[in-house]
Amino acid sequence: NAGVTQTPKFHILKTGQSMTLQCAQDMNHGYLSWYRQDPGMGLRRIHYSVAAGITDKGEVPDGYNVSRSNTEDFPLRLESAAPSQTSVYFCASSSLQGFDEQYFGPGTRLTVT
Amino acid sequence: DQQVKQNSPSLSVQEGRISILNCDYTNSMFDYFLWYKKYPAEGPTFLISISSIKDKNEDGRFTVFLNKSAKHLSLHIVPSQPGDSAVYFCAGKETSGSRLTFGEGTQLTVNP
Repeated sequence: NAGVTQTPKFHILKTGQSMTLQCAQDMNHGYLSWYRQDPGMGLRRIHYSVAAGITDKGEVPDGYNVSRSNTEDFPLRLESAAPSQTSVYFCASSSLQGFDEQYFGPGTRLTVT
Repeated sequence: DQQVKQNSPSLSVQEGRISILNCDYTNSMFDYFLWYKKYPAEGPTFLISISSIKDKNEDGRFTVFLNKSAKHLSLHIVPSQPGDSAVYFCAGKETSGSRLTFGEGTQLTVNP
């Protein structure tokens, strides 16, 4: 099993551009979430999903959209990037029973200039 | 409002000695706590957890202690090894929700 995969690893965007960060898991987990990690602030949840077709906002959802059409994939969309969205983004998955012990992907380092 | 605080951004110890990483929380509704370890250019990995009904949980070289009255938890690593050098995050969770609230992280460096 590959676990949780994320693409791309790095990306540079210009302000106002859009892009999609990809996340996929092959562990048949129901729970998927997106986090951002910023210096001195730990990890903060952006959006999450408990099943295909169901998504919900986390603590810092503004400027981001998600969709979940199947169990495996959970893309994160930035419609109009801003410098404040410069961060490292992690996708995480877990079973619904053990959603505390989440498995994280390797991360995407995004810079918005 | 920083509900979980790790007041030491960094900690340096000698190989073979004990590492103690500390974490304080303010939310009295937290009843489950976790520690994650993160190496550079990788995602965090789950290390150990503790329920609020316990005051200690042990897994090999790693032990987590919980002091509910002080709203404080600590992670002990004995003996410390150079491969333990990483950023350690603590996180708290309420039973009723799915949200993990993370601290800022502590960079542990174990010197050979």
